[in-house]
Amino acid sequence: DTAVSQTPKYLVTQMGNDKSIKCEQNLGHDTMYWYKQDSKKFLKIMFSYNNKELIINETVPNRFSPKSPDKAHLNLHINSLELGDSAVYFCASSLIGEEQFFGPGTRLTVL
Amino acid sequence: AQKITQTQPGMFVQEKEAVTLDCTYDTSDPSYGLFWYKQPSSGEMIFLIYQGSYDQQNATEGRYSLNFQKARKSANLVISASQLGDSAMYFCAMRGPMDTGRRALTFGSGTRLQVQP
Repeated sequence: DTAVSQTPKYLVTQMGNDKSIKCEQNLGHDTMYWYKQDSKKFLKIMFSYNNKELIINETVPNRFSPKSPDKAHLNLHINSLELGDSAVYFCASSLIGEEQFFGPGTRLTVL
Repeated sequence: AQKITQTQPGMFVQEKEAVTLDCTYDTSDPSYGLFWYKQPSSGEMIFLIYQGSYDQQNATEGRYSLNFQKARKSANLVISASQLGDSAMYFCAMRGPMDTGRRALTFGSGTRLQVQP
């Protein structure tokens, strides 16, 4: 059984397009996250979200928006894609204080 | 603000030997958590080990142990009896206090470990 799943695994798109990445966790966790891993492998938090609170990293452009239809899902919507958005995006989830479980990642390439 | 520093971009170790991956951190919070993750070439992030700031003993998980020196603000990962499958990128990460919205992880820049036969 997959704990944290993401779709799609690969996403290739043109500059200026709008795209979404979906994330689902079946672990019953209360908090979900989006991280971005750049070409130098550096990982940085973009958003963390539970049913009470959305925490946004202030460096994230407002073209990026998380959308949570329910506690098990946290999707990432990106408007007007730019070349610099090319990266691997990881979804993760956790319970309070415990380790975070990561999804397999979505490799986004903007042409 | 939290900061994690990994000063070893790359490390080599012979199969069956032990290796230590360095990690230092900086935070003003009295309560925090330290994590190590492994990222093989396939790209997934695999949780290895966790140390809480108030834990009295160093964490161990199989061949992994965390050498936690609070006064020095270091949380080094020790891998004993290295195996070829240990070749991967290793990330040290920190989480803030659990009772705030700062549960997200701050990551170091990673250490690429190569195990040689």
